[in-house]
Amino acid sequence: AQSVTQLDSQVPVFEEAPVELRCNYSSSVSVYLFWYVQYPNQGLQLLLKYLSGSTLVKSINGFEAEFNKSQTSFHLRKPSVHISDTAEYFCAVSETGGFKTIFGAGTRLFVKA
Amino acid sequence: NAGVTQTPKFRVLKTGQSMTLLCAQDMNHEYMYWYRQDPGMGLRLIHYSVGEGTTAKGEVPDGYNVSRLKKQNFLLGLESAAPSQTSVYFCASSDTSGTLEAFFGQGTRLTVV
Repeated sequence: AQSVTQLDSQVPVFEEAPVELRCNYSSSVSVYLFWYVQYPNQGLQLLLKYLSGSTLVKSINGFEAEFNKSQTSFHLRKPSVHISDTAEYFCAVSETGGFKTIFGAGTRLFVKA
Repeated sequence: NAGVTQTPKFRVLKTGQSMTLLCAQDMNHEYMYWYRQDPGMGLRLIHYSVGEGTTAKGEVPDGYNVSRLKKQNFLLGLESAAPSQTSVYFCASSDTSGTLEAFFGQGTRLTVV
């Protein structure tokens, strides 16, 4: 069975500082990996995804994540955060050929001025 | 393009009452899902459907029923609401490309008193 562990429930950080949100997964088969972002009182929206190929994937707003198969990790990073990045971030995994996506518990990123 | 639309957005129920949450998607997606979101627990899958006329249990199906009579609609029913079902409910859909990238509705905040 798949599982997703987000190692930090909350991450406070000052504006313009770098941030890393950690995600580990377990699965016995090949997977697709996702990061979703949820702004207050909104639904989740896709931030970035790893399907195959290059293990480093990037979003349009400066986030990036690296798939590490040996460590079964998919950590999300941003070199310099903005106040507007304050949101909850969810790591998710789906098995190739499967029907379901499993979500982590979420990490609340709080960017302080 | 509306994407995924949930109705209602807010609802307060008394214990024992019943209600139906409606999810509609206009992307011709085969797969649809109902999740509940609770603090510190992320998103947990209640039920899902892989096509019109099909439904399957997810991680936390007890106390809920679903129907997928039309491809674009996925209904979630609570027959006898309990305070433990106080939560935010999200509907999502994905296509059959295999990646299971999910598109979410805005959520329904349900309070059972």
